[in-house]
Amino acid sequence: EAGVAQSPRYKIIEKRQSVAFWCNPISGHATLYWYQQILGQGPKLLIQFQNNGVVDDSQLPKDRFSAERLKGVDSTLKIQPAKLEDSAVYLCASSLIAGGPLREQFFGPGTRLTVL
Amino acid sequence: GEDVEQSLFLSVREGDSSVINCTYTDSSSTYLYWYKQEPGAGLQLLTYIFSNMDMKQDQRLTVLLNKKDKHLSLRIADTQTGDSAIYFCAESIEGSQGNLIFGKGTKLSVKP
Repeated sequence: EAGVAQSPRYKIIEKRQSVAFWCNPISGHATLYWYQQILGQGPKLLIQFQNNGVVDDSQLPKDRFSAERLKGVDSTLKIQPAKLEDSAVYLCASSLIAGGPLREQFFGPGTRLTVL
Repeated sequence: GEDVEQSLFLSVREGDSSVINCTYTDSSSTYLYWYKQEPGAGLQLLTYIFSNMDMKQDQRLTVLLNKKDKHLSLRIADTQTGDSAIYFCAESIEGSQGNLIFGKGTKLSVKP
């Protein structure tokens, strides 16, 4: 079974530039998550999708971050414009919608963003 | 509010047992998890425990939960150099759609 795929793996941009990350979840997983992991911290949820609908985006800085999952499969996360404090690893995860309260999340390798 | 605390570093010798501790604040946690993160990789679920359990054993891993003190621990028996990684404690809150609250992670270093 293929895992969660993310690209690019690394990205370096200057502040005020735009950047986009892509995620392809595990086939059949209806729920998709984007996390931000700042160096030395645990992952923090940015947004959760169920199919192509947003379940929780309460911690997404909506003035500069946006995310979409148009066909309920792949997702993109965009930052426009980027700030220095956006330097982090952006992790994508997916889980099955069914399966009871334990919704094991499977994580991709992440995209490491450096904002100069 | 929700908060998960962990000590940042742990160093052990190969063959010893490692114990990684975690405290959490939300009493409505449903599941508590331990994730492992190796350099340059995503997080991998190691084990989990439902909040109405006290202990769970899975091969070299033992999870202990003290719900009264909101304390979770992960014991790794016969620690190997391949166990060197960052270990994250996480909780999911009842009614939160499965969202996870992570601690900052404990970096485990295993010396040969």
